[in-house]
Amino acid sequence: DTEVTQTPKHLVMGMTNKKSLKCEQHMGHRAMYWYKQKAKKPPELMFVYSYEKLSINESVPSRFSPECPNSSLLNLHLHALQPEDSALYLCASSQAWSEDPGGYTFGSGTRLTVV
Amino acid sequence: AQSVTQLDSHVSVSEGTPVLLRCNYSSSYSPSLFWYVQHPNKGLQLLLKYTSAATLVKGINGFEAEFKKSETSFHLTKPSAHMSDAAEYFCVVSELSSNYQLIWGAGTKLIIKP
Repeated sequence: DTEVTQTPKHLVMGMTNKKSLKCEQHMGHRAMYWYKQKAKKPPELMFVYSYEKLSINESVPSRFSPECPNSSLLNLHLHALQPEDSALYLCASSQAWSEDPGGYTFGSGTRLTVV
Repeated sequence: AQSVTQLDSHVSVSEGTPVLLRCNYSSSYSPSLFWYVQHPNKGLQLLLKYTSAATLVKGINGFEAEFKKSETSFHLTKPSAHMSDAAEYFCVVSELSSNYQLIWGAGTKLIIKP
């Protein structure tokens, strides 16, 4: 299995809702990442998990809460989002953080719309 | 500090003609370089990577790129464009000094004319 699977593919949520994005990989990768991508822009790094521990938080607002339950799963919990948080959220994995990654494997993303 | 410059925001070619997407980078150490492709409303797919082995790198779907250290360039080419190549292409650099965090170019949109 050489894929990163993200669910759901599309999500519409109100500003008072709580929702979660899910990401799964079975490649034995020990680093997993959340990225945010706005239209016509490159992805922006949000969080890095290495060996199931949070290694990088790129000053992301607390309304985004990551969780890594095990080495194959990565969640992003969403609460009280703003319309400007609408974007494509991408999950990625690589063999290890802070070692030459040889490239990340990306999921197809969750298209999030906040209304 | 690392940076990546993609010299064209849009490139338009006719189907069957060559493709050239230009990328220049700055790096203090020995970089790893990548090209990713993103089709409309899709995720990112790794096209090819350079990690200090052969300077001419072959990727998927007939794409290749050449690492030129003297010119700090990593241009992406394909001999003959296909309609399915229409997408956004990102040049990316990473190196040891930044824990191999990916540094992204702004992207080049490739348009294929029939």
